[in-house]
Amino acid sequence: DSGVTQTPKHLITATGQRVTLRCSPRSGDLSVYWYQQSLDQGLQFLIQYYNGEERAKGNILERFSAQQFPDLHSELNLSSLELGDSALYFCASSPQGARRTDTQYFGPGTRLTVL
Amino acid sequence: GENVEQHPSTLSVQEGDSAVIKCTYSDSASNYFPWYKQELGKGPQLIIDIRSNVGEKKDQRIAVTLNKTAKHFSLHITETQPEDSAVYFCAASIRGGGADGLTFGKGTHLIIQP
Repeated sequence: DSGVTQTPKHLITATGQRVTLRCSPRSGDLSVYWYQQSLDQGLQFLIQYYNGEERAKGNILERFSAQQFPDLHSELNLSSLELGDSALYFCASSPQGARRTDTQYFGPGTRLTVL
Repeated sequence: GENVEQHPSTLSVQEGDSAVIKCTYSDSASNYFPWYKQELGKGPQLIIDIRSNVGEKKDQRIAVTLNKTAKHFSLHITETQPEDSAVYFCAASIRGGGADGLTFGKGTHLIIQP
């Protein structure tokens, strides 16, 4: 158990809908990262937040957005969902998020199915 | 941006034998190279990592080597056991462990034959 928690574990929704995925980092970790894992694209970095501020951006679609709250939990919002958005979404956390020695610890993931 | 290639995509070895997984990266500025193990239904778990100022690192049965000139790094697992069966991912980062997102390889499905 990495100490990173994600809810819900599974989510089934329809095309065009909007969903919110939630992540709680390990106790004391200030950085949160979001990744998408699909069969065709593999594991892809979406976005990083550090202590409430956006720190780095990867291949995140404009339909997707994220935020990190004062208690350091993070939410990933996915809107206008398409069939191709079906994937596993992972959250990871690291202690500082600005130091080269930090390790990223992954949560168990949320499986999103878009019908 | 960074691109990480990983080979092979599937590797089957006899229990007790060694397994080697290889990765290459494209951006010479990359300086952090972790390896993750992912079991079915779980998130990736860090098993070992190496930084660009080190050529080799070992942790019990697991070792990683890095060749910066050739831009490739490898995972070596010795005396393989059934619990080593999983998907293994290599990754690279330009800014270092916690300072940026990781670029992952496509993964290697390691099968340990009894």
